[in-house]
Amino acid sequence: GESVGLHLPTLSVQEGDNSIINCAYSNSASDYFIWYKQESGKGPQFIIDIRSNMDKRQGQRVTVLLNKTVKHLSLQIAATQPGDSAVYFCADLGGNTPLVFGKGTRLSVIA
Amino acid sequence: SAVISQKPSRDICQRGTSLTIQCQVDSQVTMMFWYRQQPGQSLTLIATANQGSEATYESGFVIDKFPISRPNLTFSTLTVSNMSPEDSSIYLCSVNKGADTQYFGPGTRLTVL
Repeated sequence: GESVGLHLPTLSVQEGDNSIINCAYSNSASDYFIWYKQESGKGPQFIIDIRSNMDKRQGQRVTVLLNKTVKHLSLQIAATQPGDSAVYFCADLGGNTPLVFGKGTRLSVIA
Repeated sequence: SAVISQKPSRDICQRGTSLTIQCQVDSQVTMMFWYRQQPGQSLTLIATANQGSEATYESGFVIDKFPISRPNLTFSTLTVSNMSPEDSSIYLCSVNKGADTQYFGPGTRLTVL
């Protein structure tokens, strides 16, 4: 089946800098996307979502960008803080397929 | 969102035994899901559990190995049967709460010796 993948497995950023986490998806029927944050020892926590009729959606310090032409999704975190250190997963839903998770990117914030 | 709890939070089990994991949600939900997350890996869907019908299993997962119960709209159990060390994983319960958004429980960390 089709899968969602990530460009980078790890990302290190300085505290206060902006972080960009990327994700590629392959299901052309995908119409809903979610970003999750998973801290060590915890379940995935919903961060932000976006539907395919949008290109951009903003939350508190986070922005998700969707490029349907190249099937690319990104999560931008502004002014990254130590508490942002976690593994970030994108997930993709479309057609009759269940939610499919990417491999994850580990974000490390350097103080 | 939804408040989801799982029991046990972690367990260490012997090979050949079975463990039942419980998932409780603070409100009624139609769809509940069970995922497995092996060490350092992403999440893989095991099955979808709907109240009043049999669970729907994904490729590679079978009912004999992972029997699921869904007695009501706020509760589900997943049993990991005849365990082997390869079953050592985090098992996560998830629910749909409005539209397509899924929320996750804290997970059950299983170690099989």
